[in-house]
Amino acid sequence: LAKTTQPISMDSYEGQEVNITCSHNNIATNDYITWYQQFPSQGPRFIIQGYKTKVTNEVASLFIPADRKSSTLSLPRVSLSDTAVYYCLVGPFNQAGTALIFGKGTTLSVSS
Amino acid sequence: EAGVTQFPSHSVIEKGQTVTLRCDPISGHDNLYWYRRVMGKEIKFLLHFVKESKQDESGMPNNRFLAERTGGTYSTLKVQPAELEDSGVYFCASSQDQAGTSTDTQYFGPGTRLTVL
Repeated sequence: LAKTTQPISMDSYEGQEVNITCSHNNIATNDYITWYQQFPSQGPRFIIQGYKTKVTNEVASLFIPADRKSSTLSLPRVSLSDTAVYYCLVGPFNQAGTALIFGKGTTLSVSS
Repeated sequence: EAGVTQFPSHSVIEKGQTVTLRCDPISGHDNLYWYRRVMGKEIKFLLHFVKESKQDESGMPNNRFLAERTGGTYSTLKVQPAELEDSGVYFCASSQDQAGTSTDTQYFGPGTRLTVL
């Protein structure tokens, strides 16, 4: 599976928009990009997944440029409860049973 | 709909003892995964079941670990005998079999924290 690189940590204030960029230069044609969120003492939670262009749901937006070598998770107007670790994963997630490979993730700290 | 549940939430045992972790996936999910995070490391894949069959156990660290999923419902992960380096958080996840669609979202349980003294 493609290796990903993302910031180790980010700080933000409540109400701001947070953008976390992930690099995945070796992404394969059949790979999708998925983001998970993990709160302390909980398991990772699926946030959003995309293949190309832009995907938006009730939680976040995912921007993927044409070359797909990077992606940006956008969290609008963060609150204190968005403090968590965010993982960017790349793999053939259209196939059932793909093992997830987690990196270190980005620790987002939101303060008031 | 109930999520993935794991039991116990925390287990403290001595080196050499045996521990069994349990995972109840979301009802109807054919795929069940075990992952773990040891101290200071990333979350690592251990194995994957499709119903009662082991599809991929390439991440199992050694033969002290035994995973089962009898009947294709809940799964157990037994560590026997436990060693100090087995300490960490063990996560279970499940997903539906949606081959051919664009998503295979894995839903994680809260994890079992294992401490081996």
